[in-house]
Amino acid sequence: GDSVTQTEGLVTLTEGLPVMLNCTYQSTYSPFLFWYVQHLNEAPKLLLKSFTDNKRPEHQGFHATLHKSSSSFHLQKSSAQLSDSALYYCALSAASSGSWQLIFGSGTQLTVMP
Amino acid sequence: DPKIIQKPKYLVAVTGSEKILICEQYLGHNAMYWYRQSAKKPLEFMFSYSYQKLMDNQTASSRFQPQSSKKNHLDLQITALKPDDSATYFCASSQEGPASAETLYFGSGTRLTVL
Repeated sequence: GDSVTQTEGLVTLTEGLPVMLNCTYQSTYSPFLFWYVQHLNEAPKLLLKSFTDNKRPEHQGFHATLHKSSSSFHLQKSSAQLSDSALYYCALSAASSGSWQLIFGSGTQLTVMP
Repeated sequence: DPKIIQKPKYLVAVTGSEKILICEQYLGHNAMYWYRQSAKKPLEFMFSYSYQKLMDNQTASSRFQPQSSKKNHLDLQITALKPDDSATYFCASSQEGPASAETLYFGSGTRLTVL
């Protein structure tokens, strides 16, 4: 079945350093990939999602590139800010399989220190 | 103003009791979902509905029953509550279903504690 893997459960880094959160996926079909962010005591909300035309989505300084060859959709940012501290979920929508759910990875807790 | 309203925000129940979690969305969306988040299983999919029809169910237990009285309502009835049911339950919606790769909008959640 379809699945999403986020290998890092916890990432801690210093403000100003680059961020890279890993996401790999397994899907029989060509899925859409998403990153959702959840700040403390808030609901998850969309950060960015893959495009069908392979454009690189960007939002709030974050970007991600869908690499079908390696089944990856890593999240990156050149310089971390304190406000980036949150729980980040990679998610997959395997629409062609007839699935009616957005499948979330286990999440990566990002903590940015001053 | 929140566009997806979940009530109550906090809920404490005793083992064996029954509770209903309320969800209403005012985004004009046709698809609605329930997800559960706990320390053990972050953002676990439970149900999806489209035009008030059940589309997908990944909840093994029949103790969890979604109820859709209107297109913009999707309540969740939980019977015979167990301490393991303690979690935050998120309602979500999208314009259409996941097939369109659309954004999922989440409510603020109901935090359920079962004693």
